[in-house]
Amino acid sequence: NAGVTQTPKFQVLKTGQSMTLQCAQDMNHEYMSWYRQDPGMGLRLIHYSVGAGITDQGEVPNGYNVSRSTTEDFPLRLLSAAPSQTSVYFCASGRNQPQHFGDGTRLSIL
Amino acid sequence: DQQVKQNSPSLSVQEGRISILNCDYTNSMFDYFLWYKKYPAEGPTFLISISSIKDKNEDGRFTVFLNKSAKHLSLHIVPSQPGDSAVYFCAASRRRGTTGTASKLTFGTGTRLQVTL
Repeated sequence: NAGVTQTPKFQVLKTGQSMTLQCAQDMNHEYMSWYRQDPGMGLRLIHYSVGAGITDQGEVPNGYNVSRSTTEDFPLRLLSAAPSQTSVYFCASGRNQPQHFGDGTRLSIL
Repeated sequence: DQQVKQNSPSLSVQEGRISILNCDYTNSMFDYFLWYKKYPAEGPTFLISISSIKDKNEDGRFTVFLNKSAKHLSLHIVPSQPGDSAVYFCAASRRRGTTGTASKLTFGTGTRLQVTL
């Protein structure tokens, strides 16, 4: 019963580096999304997808790319990491809303 | 401009008593509301939701009340248990119909609930 799996759990990057945060779900959910959580703030939506091949922007999409080539996977790409992207990132999936969340990726940009 | 507000950062309640967590919203287009619970170092867990066509939804010890005219919702936990100690997030969305996708959730900043013995 894996649910939503996020990798890695922790990552430190230097400014300007790129990386991909992985998210996989095994529940055949159409809806997947990425959120970031910063101190003193609620979760903010970065990008979401309502099915394979369909993605759309959320509240804070700048500096991030996503793709949804399969139902199971929804990777989040940081194109050129900036200190402002230091955060905890959560991936979620559900039938038609964020129902199940992964345990998060803690990302630090130096 | 924070569209979903949880004005109480923390709440302490005795075991067995009622916990009431509050949430206010400003966007009158929101028609679907959710509550999540989050433990440290884990992702949020969906608890309960309510559509704007209802004013109450109950699931076991958890009840959510919606007052559309006041743009206010609350989560009641009765009776409170030590395992309920967590951060609770309120979220709101526009949703197409009663079964449409709540694609874009706006979250509040959370209320930390501590249930004491």
